Amino acid sequence: NAGVTQTPKFQVLKTGQSMTLQCAQDMNHEYMSWYRQDPGMGLRLIHYSVGAGITDQGEVPNGYNVSRSTTEDFPLRLLSAAPSQTSVYFCASKKGLSQPQHFGDGTRLSIL
Amino acid sequence: QKEVEQDPGPLSVPEGAIVSLNCTYSNSAFQYFMWYRQYSRKGPELLMYTYSSGNKEDGRFTAQVDKSSKYISLFIRDSQPSDSATYLCAMSATSGSARQLTFGSGTQLTVLP
Repeated sequence: NAGVTQTPKFQVLKTGQSMTLQCAQDMNHEYMSWYRQDPGMGLRLIHYSVGAGITDQGEVPNGYNVSRSTTEDFPLRLLSAAPSQTSVYFCASKKGLSQPQHFGDGTRLSIL
Repeated sequence: QKEVEQDPGPLSVPEGAIVSLNCTYSNSAFQYFMWYRQYSRKGPELLMYTYSSGNKEDGRFTAQVDKSSKYISLFIRDSQPSDSATYLCAMSATSGSARQLTFGSGTQLTVLP
């Protein structure tokens, strides 16, 4: 059982480039989320989804886009990368509303 | 002021010590409380999950919630070098479409052999 799988593990981009961070889970979880983790800031919610076809914004959504066409996949798109988006990005999923989140191992992203 | 405050440390203890990690919060709607452990270059891993007030024990780990003081704690008994990690508290309310988590900033713990 792979759990939550994130790809790539590392990425370096130039300012203005776009890219998609991939997230897949094999636990049949309805709820999926994207967080970014910055030093001293903890984990902050970017976007989340409560099921296929349904997404919503979190605390820091600007500059990011998501879609959820299947239960398994929840990609995060950076539309035009900026140095302020240098961070570690975590995808998480949970089975039910009151269940705890399960996290992937993150994508470390640097924007030059 | 952040909704969840957590001392970032770093905290360094000798092997075998009892470790106490704490978070305070301001939102009285929080009802679900979690502790995650995060090793370097890994994702957070759930350690403890409690609902409302009280204590929960799992092996060497004990989680305490005091809602009257808006204060939660994680105790680690007989600490081991393998416990060296960053510990994140997290909490959520009972309302909201997805009951998303609010995290503390994490406490970095080192257990010295």
